[in-house]
Amino acid sequence: DGGITQSPKYLFRKEGQNVTLSCEQNLNHDAMYWYRQDPGQGLRLIYYSQIVNDFQKGDIAEGYSVSREKKESFPLTVTSAQKNPTAFYLCASSIAPGAVYEQYFGPGTRLTVT
Amino acid sequence: AQSVSQHNHHVILSEAASLELGCNYSYGGTVNLFWYVQYPGQHLQLLLKYFSGDPLVKGIKGFEAEFIKSKFSFNLRKPSVQWSDTAEYFCAVNANNNNDMRFGAGTRLTVKP
Repeated sequence: DGGITQSPKYLFRKEGQNVTLSCEQNLNHDAMYWYRQDPGQGLRLIYYSQIVNDFQKGDIAEGYSVSREKKESFPLTVTSAQKNPTAFYLCASSIAPGAVYEQYFGPGTRLTVT
Repeated sequence: AQSVSQHNHHVILSEAASLELGCNYSYGGTVNLFWYVQYPGQHLQLLLKYFSGDPLVKGIKGFEAEFIKSKFSFNLRKPSVQWSDTAEYFCAVNANNNNDMRFGAGTRLTVKP
């Protein structure tokens, strides 16, 4: 089955710890994205990557970091500098960068930091 | 600031009722417009999109949306909803063909059988 996998589905961390969220796709897509979803705020773009070894900041990149060493993988690290990390995180990919291409979404990871 | 507004947070309808969900945006220039849907327990998926041409676009499952440039709107419609349409609906806008997609806050639709 082709698609996007995110693991784990639920993640719990103590304040002050960095945590890395996994996103893997087997769709052979060039572009990948990370969004954060909060109640009543829709999805907000954290980072996106147009191609391997390239990534750009979105609207709310502060306190987050990413890497894109392989085409199929785009992990997101939530650092201790992120002031309000508890949220639902969605990863997406598209065949190429640009709005003309549909974004395909993963199932999401719900992160709770206490 | 550039934004996407969905004014209806939660809509409750009975089966067979007509649906219209509002979406307004504040971007100038060229826009690409999308509606995504998230059914309970499922991934977010594309419902329909508008890039150019006929401002009335048809999507999956009988949904359609109309782009009205003068009103900066892209409202989603369905003439007769079904219980299976219960989901959360997100409007999204991409301006000037960049890589940045802006989403609205979402509208939760509940259809009573």
